[in-house]
Amino acid sequence: AQKITQTQPGMFVQEKEAVTLDCTYDTSDQSYGLFWYKQPSSGEMIFLIYQGSYDEQNATEGRYSLNFQKARKSANLVISASQLGDSAMYFCATHNTNAGKSTFGDGTTLTVKP
Amino acid sequence: DVKVTQSSRYLVKRTGEKVFLECVQDMDHENMFWYRQDPGLGLRLIYFSYDVKMKEKGDIPEGYSVSREKKERFSLILESASTNQTSMYLCASRSPGDPSNQPQHFGDGTRLSIL
Repeated sequence: AQKITQTQPGMFVQEKEAVTLDCTYDTSDQSYGLFWYKQPSSGEMIFLIYQGSYDEQNATEGRYSLNFQKARKSANLVISASQLGDSAMYFCATHNTNAGKSTFGDGTTLTVKP
Repeated sequence: DVKVTQSSRYLVKRTGEKVFLECVQDMDHENMFWYRQDPGLGLRLIYFSYDVKMKEKGDIPEGYSVSREKKERFSLILESASTNQTSMYLCASRSPGDPSNQPQHFGDGTRLSIL
């Protein structure tokens, strides 16, 4: 069974600063993908960034980057230059090749302070 | 852009009612999912479907059923609603191919209250 652990239920960051949201995963699969999603208070889940298990370089997408450490089974999300609109819940998830299902963490609530 | 539409943002029903939650996607995706989201529990998969009339149980299927008669529509059914099914329900779809590199596309969610 897959498991995603997000150890930070809540995080605060000052506007314009960088913040790291932690994610560790447990899987026995060789091929898998790691995803981060953002859920604002309005409820919709928005896909942010993806990292493949065989990708050697860390994924980046604008102000988002993924700090992927395969040996430690961690896939932390880094948000640079935080904005007030970044206040939301963030979910880490793994999607596995062999199963159609995905596994989500419990989420981290990020609050950006002005 | 992929559009996943859930029929209601907010829904209030009574205990014992049969409740239908509808989800439609416009990208011809084979794969569709229903999750429920509760505080501190993340997203839990109820059912998923990888083709018309095909379905598989997720982690918490008890008390729910699903219907996929057309590719674009995936319905979640609460056979006899109970108060412990009060939750946020999220529908998602995903394009075919290797699921390890395909994101899921979500609807806006339905906040369901069972009184």
